[in-house]
Amino acid sequence: NAGVTQTPKFQVLKTGQSMTLQCAQDMNHNSMYWYRQDPGMGLRLIYYSASEGTTDKGEVPNGYNVSRLNKREFSLRLESAAPSQTSVYFCASTVGGENEKLFFGSGTQLSVL
Amino acid sequence: ELKVEQNPLFLSMQEGKNYTIYCNYSTTSDRLYWYRQDPGKSLESLFVLLSNGAVKQEGRLMASLDTKARLSTLHITAAVHDLSATYFCAVDMMNTDKLIFGTGTRLQVFP
Repeated sequence: NAGVTQTPKFQVLKTGQSMTLQCAQDMNHNSMYWYRQDPGMGLRLIYYSASEGTTDKGEVPNGYNVSRLNKREFSLRLESAAPSQTSVYFCASTVGGENEKLFFGSGTQLSVL
Repeated sequence: ELKVEQNPLFLSMQEGKNYTIYCNYSTTSDRLYWYRQDPGKSLESLFVLLSNGAVKQEGRLMASLDTKARLSTLHITAAVHDLSATYFCAVDMMNTDKLIFGTGTRLQVFP
């Protein structure tokens, strides 16, 4: 049982390059999330998807786009990377409902030079 | 807009001592979560608190929720080195699926 799988684990980009972070879960969860973690800032919500076919902005959506491709997959795209997007990115999912604790992926460390 | 604040941000404590981490949030919510993160690792769920007065305990950690005061506490009893980690609270915005995290409390337990 893989849980939440994120790829890649590490990435270095030059300013202006684009890339897509992939996330897949095999727990039949309804809701999926993308967070970024910066030192001293905790985790900040970028986008989330409450169900297949829906996406909503979180706290810091600027510079990002997302796609909920199907129930399993939720991707995060940086169209034109900026140094301010250097961060660790976490994908998470939850089944929904009252006991909806999040299950997290292992993270993607992204550096934009 | 929901704001979630934790204090202290950093806590250095001796083994065997007790301490409490506080989590305040700014708008109505009836769900609060506590997570643990070890350095360089992902986050692991500790507790889910679903109602006013809820109390959950596991080992040396006990979490409680007061929805009227918009406050949750994570109490550490007789700390041991293995508890060294960063602890996050997270609050669910009412009627949405948005989960907003606090800034985290970095706990170091020394002999």
